[in-house]
This record gives sequence, C-alpha cells and structure tokens, in this order.
Amino acid sequence: ILNVEQSPQSLHVQEGDSTNFTCSFPSSNFYALHWYRWETAKSPEALFVMTLNGDEKKKGRISATLNTKEGYSYLYIKGSQPEDSATYLCAFRGGGGADGLTFGKGTHLIIQP
Amino acid sequence: KAGVTQTPRYLIKTRGQQVTLSCSPISGHRSVSWYQQTPGQGLQFLFEYFSETQRNKGNFPGRFSGRQFSNSRSEMNVSTLELGDSALYLCASSLAPLAGDTDTQYFGPGTRLTVL
Repeated sequence: ILNVEQSPQSLHVQEGDSTNFTCSFPSSNFYALHWYRWETAKSPEALFVMTLNGDEKKKGRISATLNTKEGYSYLYIKGSQPEDSATYLCAFRGGGGADGLTFGKGTHLIIQP
Repeated sequence: KAGVTQTPRYLIKTRGQQVTLSCSPISGHRSVSWYQQTPGQGLQFLFEYFSETQRNKGNFPGRFSGRQFSNSRSEMNVSTLELGDSALYLCASSLAPLAGDTDTQYFGPGTRLTVL
C-alpha cells in the first residue's frame, strides 16, 4: 500500500497572507504527481499535473514545485483570499504509470477574513 | 463541453442488495477512474479503465466490479452491499493515463450511496 502523506491536516490563514503545504510520496517508480482543490459541495478540480523533477507550475496565485528524488511536492498560495478555502489534495501515480492514482487525505485550508 | 455526469446522484439500499452506478465521461475522454470517499478517509482508488480495459484495481474486495463500454461510459457494480459501503462514489475521466496534462482527472458530482 502506497503512502501519500499531506501536512498539515488543516490550516487557518489570515486573508492576504501567503501559505504553503506539503505532499510526500514514494520516491521510487515515480510517474506523476497531481494537485486538486476540493471545495465543499463541489467536485474536485484539477490544479496541476507534474511529471519532471524540478517542475514548477503556476496558476494565478497558486504554484507548485516537485522533487521526485526526495519524494515531496509543495503547494504555495500567495495572498490568500476567502475563495481559496478548500481541501487541497495531492495524488501520486507510480509503477511507471501502470498504477492507479493514490490520493493523500488532503490539507483543509480555511482563510479567515 | 459537457462535464462528467454520474447517475443516480443519491441512492438508498439495504444490506445484501446490489447496486449499479453509471458514469458518462467528457466527450473524447477514454479513461475513467472510480473512487470511494468515506468520512475520515481520503479518496480511495477503486479501479481505472482505458479503452474498455481495466488497467488497474485498488485494494477492494471482489464485490466491487466495473466495466467500460465502447463509448467510454463506465459502470461500477457493488454486490452484497454492506453498511460500510455507504460512501460518496466519484468517477473521473481523462484523455488518457499518460504522463502530463492528458492524465488530468475531471470529476463528476458523485453518487451518494447509503446502505441501511
């Protein structure tokens, strides 16, 4: 059973502050690392799919980095806004692409006005 | 472009019954994956289909099965329902399970299954 860990489990951030959280995954047989945002009463929404060591991706105020050699990815949110409140999930695909996506349990982010 | 649709949205069954859930992917998507979400757990991978073939399967008992049709629509079946099967079942479609953005998962709204 693959271990995909996300920390912290939950996070309260003041509006306007920047924040970041971590996804740890196995460093062997890496294929891809996904990030999703899941807002209450909605479906998970894709943020990034990352495949190369050293990858950095950006979407508006949200960015992510990837280190496949040590098995971690960071998600950064700059200047948090109330609409950023959601659970952020990472998902690991290994086995050279043959395995299904293994999701972490998520980081629940609450932005306080 | 229409999104991923799942039917039914809500379902109540009793222990021992069986259930079939349906997922229609985004047009042009050939890969469909199924996930179970229960309170306190993350998304648990059930299985993934690509071009009518099951690519892989998560750590679930044989009571959980699925299939994919030639039009990429997928169904999952749970036989002999147990109380612990109560969950939100999400399906997601992607263009193909290859490296890069083609593997981006687009999720449906889910089917909420309650087993009494």
